[in-house]
Amino acid sequence: SQTIHQWPATLVQPVGSPLSLECTVEGTSNPNLYWYRQAAGRGLQLLFYSVGIGQISSEVPQNLSASRPQDRQFILSSKKLLLSDSGFYLCAWSTQLAGAETQYFGPGTRLLVL
Amino acid sequence: AQTVTQSQPEMSVQEAETVTLSCTYDTSENNYYLFWYKQPPSRQMILVIRQEAYKQQNATENRFSVNFQKAAKSFSLKISDSQLGDTAMYFCAFSNTDKLIFGTGTRLQVFP
Repeated sequence: SQTIHQWPATLVQPVGSPLSLECTVEGTSNPNLYWYRQAAGRGLQLLFYSVGIGQISSEVPQNLSASRPQDRQFILSSKKLLLSDSGFYLCAWSTQLAGAETQYFGPGTRLLVL
Repeated sequence: AQTVTQSQPEMSVQEAETVTLSCTYDTSENNYYLFWYKQPPSRQMILVIRQEAYKQQNATENRFSVNFQKAAKSFSLKISDSQLGDTAMYFCAFSNTDKLIFGTGTRLQVFP
């Protein structure tokens, strides 16, 4: 069966510091991968998605970036964090076969920028 | 552009009772998929149920069922025999590609 991991689970960072959040998927090949952000009490905002290694599409311009160095690894980064980057970050995957419309989510990372 | 609207910010229900969460959407597409996701206090998003638009039969998953009205563009979630563990945020979502569009969510509180 497929599983998705995210780490760290919680992160507290000062403004201006770098960021690296990691997401890995097990039990599937060539998944679509997604990064979402959820502000407190709000819905989900799609940040990036990827259909393959090195292929990244950005949905919202911001100071965040994403990379996919391996088939089942998706990384969210920032060179300098802003206060507004605080939130809950969710990674998701979907199959590229039939059923691509169904996404499965990881446990998330709580990021607090101070 | 497609949109998803959840008009009930908060709902409450007593344990063992039935509750219905509303969702409407707007699209010009004919083939698409609809979902309900649950987000408990742990904040992990859990898929509850999914519906293919080309299927007339309403999807069911144990105590969870949907009322899919394609012409009205309505997709409500019915939770029967509510349990304390059903307390969570519930998000309705739409997809006709490999991207999901989410509603703003309904916070459901189940009381003993």
